[in-house]
Amino acid sequence: EAQVTQNPRYLITVTGKKLTVTCSQNMNHEYMSWYRQDPGLGLRQIYYSMNVEVTDKGDVPEGYKVSRKEKRNFPLILESPSPNQTSLYFCASCNQQGPITGELFFGEGSRLTVL
Amino acid sequence: AQTVTQSQPEMSVQEAETVTLSCTYDTSESDYYLFWYKQPPSRQMILVIRQEAYKQQNATENRFSVNFQKAAKSFSLKISDSQLGDAAMYFCAYRRGNDMRFGAGTRLTVKP
Repeated sequence: EAQVTQNPRYLITVTGKKLTVTCSQNMNHEYMSWYRQDPGLGLRQIYYSMNVEVTDKGDVPEGYKVSRKEKRNFPLILESPSPNQTSLYFCASCNQQGPITGELFFGEGSRLTVL
Repeated sequence: AQTVTQSQPEMSVQEAETVTLSCTYDTSESDYYLFWYKQPPSRQMILVIRQEAYKQQNATENRFSVNFQKAAKSFSLKISDSQLGDAAMYFCAYRRGNDMRFGAGTRLTVKP
């Protein structure tokens, strides 16, 4: 089954404790991205990656890091989480070659709470 | 920067009736995609419908259709014969290349 898988789905942590949210897709997509969803703001892009070893900042990259060492994986790293990073996070991927439909495929979301 | 505006934070509709969700966007580009995504309580983002800007014909998917007005930069979603399962948050989105923007969302309630 074609899917984007995020882990963990729920996480409660404390300020300053490093954490990683993993994202993996099995569709051989070149493009992957991370979003955060906050009430009244919709989804905002944190980082994106056009392909392996290529990453770039989105609209709200502060406090986050990413890496793209393999095509299928795109982890989101919070080196020193703060309460303002409490949010719902989505990973998404998209095909950049062949029939390009423009559609993003989303993971199921990761609810992060930073105390 | 491109922006997407959904002016209706909440909407409600009676079961079996029709409802229209509004979306406007701002861009200087001529080639882009527009989407409506549905987010039920499960939080999963589900693609409802897609429109390529170069196509004049409005997209339709069963009970879902759009009214795409390119000159007015408007992209509304019409849901016909509303069902209880249509209750969700709906997001309008714009994409061109790496730039994908979402509106703030419209919460749709369906009354039995």
